[in-house]
Amino acid sequence: KNEVEQSPQNLTAQEGEFITINCSYSVGISALHWLQQHPGGGIVSLFMLSSGKKKHGRLIATINIQEKHSSLHITASHPRDSAVYICAVDNNNDMRFGAGTRLTVKP
Amino acid sequence: NAGVTQTPKFQVLKTGQSMTLQCAQDMNHEYMSWYRQDPGMGLRLIHYSVGAGITDQGEVPNGYNVSRSTTEDFPLRLLSAAPSQTSVYFCATSWGAEQYFGPGTRLTVT
Repeated sequence: KNEVEQSPQNLTAQEGEFITINCSYSVGISALHWLQQHPGGGIVSLFMLSSGKKKHGRLIATINIQEKHSSLHITASHPRDSAVYICAVDNNNDMRFGAGTRLTVKP
Repeated sequence: NAGVTQTPKFQVLKTGQSMTLQCAQDMNHEYMSWYRQDPGMGLRLIHYSVGAGITDQGEVPNGYNVSRSTTEDFPLRLLSAAPSQTSVYFCATSWGAEQYFGPGTRLTVT
């Protein structure tokens, strides 16, 4: 079993829909990261969380340390949100990654 | 600021050849790391460094060497390339909550 599991693997949505991507992990962590990888391959850091909730624009990330679970939400999704979203857990500099969720938002 | 730069962008090697993937940053970040990304497997940590002179192994270190003589540079060496090392390699730095990734190097070993 992978240490970091993401669901769903693939997600197709219509523009404007509310999106949720889930991440569960089985190891102790010092922080959790959400990353975005665009079709060209570039990787951008979206959030780092160690507790609670963070919001940036239309993106919201939450983490429940007791349940070892995090969610990434996108409100009012747009075609430019189409990308692979990657969850990563940081165990004192030892990073482990989920396989990613491929999101396609159709106009 | 150039951020994180990686060279080369593409490389083809024959089995047994050696090469160095270069990574440089101009942000004065202490933490630097190397990852490989393979289809269906996601990113995997190869080696990381928390500062000049300090390196440590990640999840998949075999077949790779690193050194960190300066804050700016963190090269990744393949001493004897194998087809299993065909992958896309990313270098990254981090400072606090922010991570910065390089554009990647696509390596093919034949």
